[in-house]
Amino acid sequence: SQELEQSPQSLIVQEGKNLTINCTSSKTLYGLYWYKQKYGEGLIFLMMLQKGGEEKSHEKITAKLDEKKQQRSLHITASQPSHAGIYLCGADAGGATNKLIFGTGTLLAVQP
Amino acid sequence: GAGVSQSPRYKVAKRGQDVALRCDPISGHVSLFWYQQALGQGPEFLTYFQNEAQLDKSGLPSDRFFAERPEGSVSTLKIQRTQQEDSAVYLCASSLGGGGKTTQYFGPGTRLTVL
Repeated sequence: SQELEQSPQSLIVQEGKNLTINCTSSKTLYGLYWYKQKYGEGLIFLMMLQKGGEEKSHEKITAKLDEKKQQRSLHITASQPSHAGIYLCGADAGGATNKLIFGTGTLLAVQP
Repeated sequence: GAGVSQSPRYKVAKRGQDVALRCDPISGHVSLFWYQQALGQGPEFLTYFQNEAQLDKSGLPSDRFFAERPEGSVSTLKIQRTQQEDSAVYLCASSLGGGGKTTQYFGPGTRLTVL
């Protein structure tokens, strides 16, 4: 079973529209890590949140973490074609290792 | 180097062959992780090194998988007697800290195809 459920699996939006990607967990995970991946490439780090209730923004991307509810999200404002790709949420499994648990990814396409 | 590098980028192996995948982490990074990413899935943890010590290998799927980091820098993931289910992208990540919550930076991955 998937420890970190990510939705939607895929998303097509018109350029300029806003969108939100969500990740939820049925077990306790820690922090929030957002990565972007293009086909055939590695993961590009976007943002990390460590504290429950924290919110962080960079350019037009905002990440939110609600650790009590185990809800995590990524919001993109006024999407652009450059935002297209696969977005992966990650969370810390806990313990000393700092290994990350990932969602299954959201494929985002932005139509000009 | 500027980022995490991995080689080869692509590897095709016949079932039963042994393969070795290399990871060069960011210079000075203490922690090194290996993940396996199946098609259409998120990465799954395989193993973790802090310097040369392999502190967690709980994600290795079988005893055919072996990883090492003898000098605390470059790491090699070896898969013996490859099977078709081993086909995946193998990602390496490194982070500055040891065990703490620091950002993991990923390499481009090695896409392994087992025929």
